[in-house]
Amino acid sequence: ETGVTQTPRHLVMGMTNKKSLKCEQHLGHNAMYWYKQSAKKPLELMFVYSLEERVENNSVPSRFSPECPNSSHLFLHLHTLQPEDSALYLCASSRRTGSYEQYFGPGTRLTVT
Amino acid sequence: GDSVTQMEGPVTLSEEAFLTINCTYTATGYPSLFWYVQYPGEGLQLLLKATKADDKGSNKGFEATYRKETTSFHLEKGSVQVSDSAVYFCALCPQGGSEKLVFGKGTKLTVNP
Repeated sequence: ETGVTQTPRHLVMGMTNKKSLKCEQHLGHNAMYWYKQSAKKPLELMFVYSLEERVENNSVPSRFSPECPNSSHLFLHLHTLQPEDSALYLCASSRRTGSYEQYFGPGTRLTVT
Repeated sequence: GDSVTQMEGPVTLSEEAFLTINCTYTATGYPSLFWYVQYPGEGLQLLLKATKADDKGSNKGFEATYRKETTSFHLEKGSVQVSDSAVYFCALCPQGGSEKLVFGKGTKLTVNP
């Protein structure tokens, strides 16, 4: 497997459920990111992990909880979400040096009912 | 702060037409500049990049030239195809490197046969 993979690709959950999104990168990168992409809104950076340490948290509600156990894996734990949290959640990775281009996964389409 | 402004869409063209999507940026010094493309139902893919002034990035028939004097990085293609229908994002990475890319809002392109 190469590049950045995300599972699941689609997720439907109720507001009282707890679920997790998984991201894995096979590029040898050491920075990983979660983005939220909603219809008709700009791409929103949620979290940044660099060398497994969280370096950015853009005022994201606590119902979203990231976890980065190692430089290849990133999780987003979800609980008691709201319908407005329905969106495409994108994971990305990059090197920490050079031109910092980011490589994205295909995303998880989340629907909160 | 750093910012990226790209032309509002949507853009609709006929096959084989010439494409220009304008992108201008605000940043100190010499950021790295990128174009990303997002095909329907997928994540963002790096299309091309330029890391210093007067560099020309190119890929799949698309080109963009880093113009420091006009702080621009316009995307062009001489003859678009139906398969180029996607959303295009301009982005920058601040000079000196950063784990945080700054994205434009995206421009949706539709190419009709």
